[in-house]
Parts: sequence; structure tokens; C-alpha cells
Amino acid sequence: GAGVSQSPSNKVTEKGKDVELRCDPISGHTALYWYRQSLGQGLEFLIYFQGNSAPDKSGLPSDRFSAERTGGSVSTLTIQRTQQEDSAVYLCASSLGQPQAFFGQGTRLTVV
Amino acid sequence: EDQVTQSPEALRLQEGESSSLNCSYTVSGLRGLFWYRQDPGKGPEFLFTLYSAGEEKEKERLKATLTKKESFLHITAPKPEDSATYLCAVQAGSARQLTFGSGTQLTVLP
Repeated sequence: GAGVSQSPSNKVTEKGKDVELRCDPISGHTALYWYRQSLGQGLEFLIYFQGNSAPDKSGLPSDRFSAERTGGSVSTLTIQRTQQEDSAVYLCASSLGQPQAFFGQGTRLTVV
Repeated sequence: EDQVTQSPEALRLQEGESSSLNCSYTVSGLRGLFWYRQDPGKGPEFLFTLYSAGEEKEKERLKATLTKKESFLHITAPKPEDSATYLCAVQAGSARQLTFGSGTQLTVLP
């Protein structure tokens, strides 16, 4: 596609439910990042995928968060047993390996 | 721990009134400093990468500069369409991800 695509664009979920957020990176991009942006805050790194290498999960805030990347393309970020503090905009970015990645428009997650 | 601090948090300018945004950083082994623009409801849009002190980059009304402790984003004769949040980020050490500041929300009034 022309850019990084994320779905859904908005998600409202009840506390305790699981959610899945999807990211379709730019075709051919080997690197994929997930960041989280809370209201009025900078972006917080969550996880990084590069090709077939093991992902860098060092930014995941708890074991309720996980992510996978299938076939080196689409990625899914899963949050289990959501809490109100998980409410944020989740941003996906991709690149050919350089850190100045192209971002999607994000998924706004609201936990009620 | 890498730290990035941006100031001011918010800035209101009249159209044509030039100013600068500041990004100060404390990192171990800076590999690059990045500026992004973010419009409401959108993801960040890449503007510049600076790699070493003394380096400058320009794009239209924007010029980014870098010293050993901080970076400035100079906006010359801004227009209302320059209104956005400007984010600064660093890549340091062996990290592949960026560490972001909390941004400066710029409003340019017509």
C-alpha cells in the first residue's frame, strides 16, 4: 500500500477484555515498530521487529502486552485483560531499517 | 537513561513572527536526532535527521540545528499551516528505537 495502515482507527473496550490492534506496514519494509502515545505525552516505545530476527520486546509495559509479525509483514499487538491506564493512541511505524520510520495514523484505544 | 526535553510546551505566534523550538537531550552515544511534525489525529511525519554537532538541515520555512546538548527548530515567517505539534527524538547507543520528547504544540495565528 501507499502508507502504513492501522485498524481499527478507534476502539472502545470494557475493562478486562482483550483487544487486538493491526498494522499493515509499507510493502517491502523490513523494520516495524509499535509505540504508544498517551494524552499530552511523547511516544513510548513498545516493541521492534526487524526481518526474521527475534523482536526487541524491551518496551512492553507488562506481560499483558504481546505482539507478533506474520510473514515479515502484518503485525498484531494484543493487550489482554485491558486496564484503564492502557487507554492511549497506539502507533505503528515501518522502515527499510533506518530509525526515521513512516508512521500510520494510529489506533485510539479507550478502556471504559 | 536517555532523556529528551522539549520547550516550550506550547507556543502561539502571529503569522510571519519567527521563533525557535528547543530540544535538549541527555544520552549515552547519540547516533541521531530526529524532528517530526504531528497533526491532530495523525501519526508523526518525519522532517529531519541530524547526526553531529554543527549540522544544519532546512526544509521550506524550517531549519534544524544541533549542538552537543540540544537542537533547535527555527521557524521563519510561519504560516497558519505550520500549526502542529513538533516532536524531537533521539537514537542512542545500540537501540534501534527512538526516544521521544513530549513535543511543542505550535499555533500560528493569521
